[in-house]
Amino acid sequence: EAGVAQSPRYKIIEKRQSVAFWCNPISGHATLYWYQQILGQGPKLLIQFQNNGVVDDSQLPKDRFSAERLKGVDSTLKIQPAKLEDSAVYLCASSLSAGVGTDTQYFGPGTRLTVL
Amino acid sequence: GDSVTQMEGPVTLSEEAFLTINCTYTATGYPSLFWYVQYPGEGLQLLLKATKADDKGSNKGFEATYRKETTSFHLEKGSVQVSDSAVYFCALSGASGNTGKLIFGQGTTLQVKP
Repeated sequence: EAGVAQSPRYKIIEKRQSVAFWCNPISGHATLYWYQQILGQGPKLLIQFQNNGVVDDSQLPKDRFSAERLKGVDSTLKIQPAKLEDSAVYLCASSLSAGVGTDTQYFGPGTRLTVL
Repeated sequence: GDSVTQMEGPVTLSEEAFLTINCTYTATGYPSLFWYVQYPGEGLQLLLKATKADDKGSNKGFEATYRKETTSFHLEKGSVQVSDSAVYFCALSGASGNTGKLIFGQGTTLQVKP
C-alpha cells in the first residue's frame, strides 16, 4: 500500500514570496490533516479536512495561509506572503475514518520550508 | 485546553540500557494516547497506542500503559539498541470536543551509544 506522498521535499524562498505544498493521501482515507512542525517542537494542526469539507481550521493563519482538498483526495496548502516565522516542516497526514480519535494517522515525509 | 508534556531531552543511553520517557497529559473526556517516532531523515510513524484506561500498547519491544489516575503514558523499553536513536513524540486525540486531531508533546530525543 502506497503511503502519504508530499512534494516538494524542500523549498527555500524569500520573505513575502508565495509557496505551495501538495499532498496525496493514502487511497480511501477520508480525513486529511496538515500540521506545522517548527524546529524543536511537536507538530501543530493547521487544518483538518473530512472528505472535501473543512472540519477544523482554528489554528490556520487565514490572512496568509489557505488550503483546499480537491474532490476529497489531493490537497494543496499555500502561503502568501511568507514570513520568516513560517520556516518549518509541513506535514500531511491521513486517516481512514472521519475524525475518530482512536484512528491511526499516517504521515508523509514532510516539506521543509526555509524562508530567508 | 488539552495538552501533552514530555520529559526534556536529549536522553543519552548505552546499548542494552533500560529506557523510560515520561509523558503526562491534560484533557477532558477520554482521549486516546499515542507514541510516534521520527527516525533521522524519515517521517513520523506510529510506534504504539492505547485507546482506554489501563490498556497497554506495545510494539518493537516498547511498551506504554494508559494510566488515567496519574494522567500518564510513559514509554519504556527493557534494552535499547543503537537503532532506537530517534525523536519520540507523545500525543493525544479524541478528548471532548476533539475532532480527531493529534495534540503532540514537544518530543524527546534519544541517543543510544554502542
